Amino acid sequence: EVQLVESGGGLIQPGGSLRLSCAASGFTVSSNYLSWVRQAPGKGLEWVSVIYSGGTTYYADSVRGRFTISKDNSKNTLYLQMNTLRAEDTAVYYCAREEMVRGVYAFDIWGQGTLVTVSS
Amino acid sequence: DIQMTQSPSTLSASVGDRVTITCRASQSISSWLAWYQQKAGKAPKLLIYKASTLESGVPSRFSGSGSGTEFTLTISSLQPDDFATYYCQQYNTYSRTFGQGTKVEIK
Repeated sequence: EVQLVESGGGLIQPGGSLRLSCAASGFTVSSNYLSWVRQAPGKGLEWVSVIYSGGTTYYADSVRGRFTISKDNSKNTLYLQMNTLRAEDTAVYYCAREEMVRGVYAFDIWGQGTLVTVSS
Repeated sequence: DIQMTQSPSTLSASVGDRVTITCRASQSISSWLAWYQQKAGKAPKLLIYKASTLESGVPSRFSGSGSGTEFTLTISSLQPDDFATYYCQQYNTYSRTFGQGTKVEIK
């Protein structure tokens, strides 16, 4: 079965760091584009970052310089290292696959989400 | 950065109604637009990609159209399972952006 499973969320103080993980199964992270998308409580979806199959990365302005996306092809896992966290980073964080083989260029597989709460 | 603006923000409709949601991009995105449906507490679900291609398994009452900067999602006959929030999303090499969402409510 093709799926993504996030982990690593929790309660963290402002200024702290947290690393999210997203384990893939049924496909390989090495040959796919993968993104992180977040959703603050009661708000809409916000794209955070993407990593291409070759390792190129891009970020939203709101997180550039604080967050780092990476992947471990041997573990088939995607990561998001979040530093200098702020209250406005509080959200459910989803990992999502962008389907390229079929030429979809959209998020066709999503994880269940992991909640990050930044609060003192 | 490319901005995406959806309208309306909220839509009240009845079962069987034809529903149309509009999404405008701040600059041309060709046909690199997708539509998603999200229900409370769940991850979004892909409905349409490349502006008008129906994702596998999605009912044919959903359709998408448009190119450049103006796009629409149409539900031809609203069903009880369709009451949800809908998002458009653009794709380009350097970023992706979602619209602010349209909540479809029961009238």
